Amino acid sequence: AQSVTQLGSHVSVSEGALVLLRCNYSSSVPPYLFWYVQYPNQGLQLLLKYTSAATLVKGINGFEAEFKKSETSFHLTKPSAHMSDAAEYFCAVRNMNRDDKIIFGKGTRLHILP
Amino acid sequence: GAGVSQSPRYKVAKRGQDVALRCDPISGHVSLFWYQQALGQGPEFLTYFQNEAQLDKSGLPSDRFFAERPEGSVSTLKIQRTQQEDSAVYLCASSWPGPQGTQETQYFGPGTRLLVL
Repeated sequence: AQSVTQLGSHVSVSEGALVLLRCNYSSSVPPYLFWYVQYPNQGLQLLLKYTSAATLVKGINGFEAEFKKSETSFHLTKPSAHMSDAAEYFCAVRNMNRDDKIIFGKGTRLHILP
Repeated sequence: GAGVSQSPRYKVAKRGQDVALRCDPISGHVSLFWYQQALGQGPEFLTYFQNEAQLDKSGLPSDRFFAERPEGSVSTLKIQRTQQEDSAVYLCASSWPGPQGTQETQYFGPGTRLLVL
C-alpha cells in the first residue's frame, strides 16, 4: 500500500523568501515520487519527479526536491518565491515496478505575500 | 503535439440525470487513467485502461459509474443517476508505459468540472 502526507494545507511565504513544502510518503514497494502544481481552474502540471536516478531532483520554475529514504520524505523547495508561484501543490507516489495509478496527497496551497 | 483534452470543461446536471465525460489522450499513449478531485482535495484514482482493456476499476465509487475505451483511444466516463456527492472535477491522464515503468509520467488534461444540483 502507498500513501502520501502533506504537512500544512496552507503555507504563506513572502515574495523572495524560501519556499518549503513538506511531503512524507509510505510505500511497501520502490516508489516513484512526484510534485504537481495546479493553478486555479487548470489541470495538473508536473513540476518534478524522482525515479531513482538521483536523490536531488531539479524541476521547472526553479523548484527542486530531495528524496530521503531514511526519513521517507520528498520535500519541495525553491530558494526565492515569486508571486506567480501561488498555486496548489500536490505530492504524489506511484509504484516503480509497473504502470499504475498515482496516489496523491491532499495538497498544500501556497500563498505569496508581497 | 497536442496534450490531453477533455470535454465538456463544465457540466451542470440535475440530480438523477445521466452524464458522459470525454477524454482524448495524447496520440499513441497506451495507458489512460481517470481521477476524481473533490473540492479542496487531491485527485483520487477511479479507473485505468491499457489500450481498450480496463485493468483496474477499483476506484469507481459505485455501480453508477462506468468507463469505456472501446477502440483504445478516446475514453468516456459515464455517471448514471447523478447525485450531489458526484460534484467534483474529473481528471483524465495518459501515459506511455515503457519497459518496467521507464515511462512514468502521466500527463493530465484540464478536467471536467461537474456540478450536480
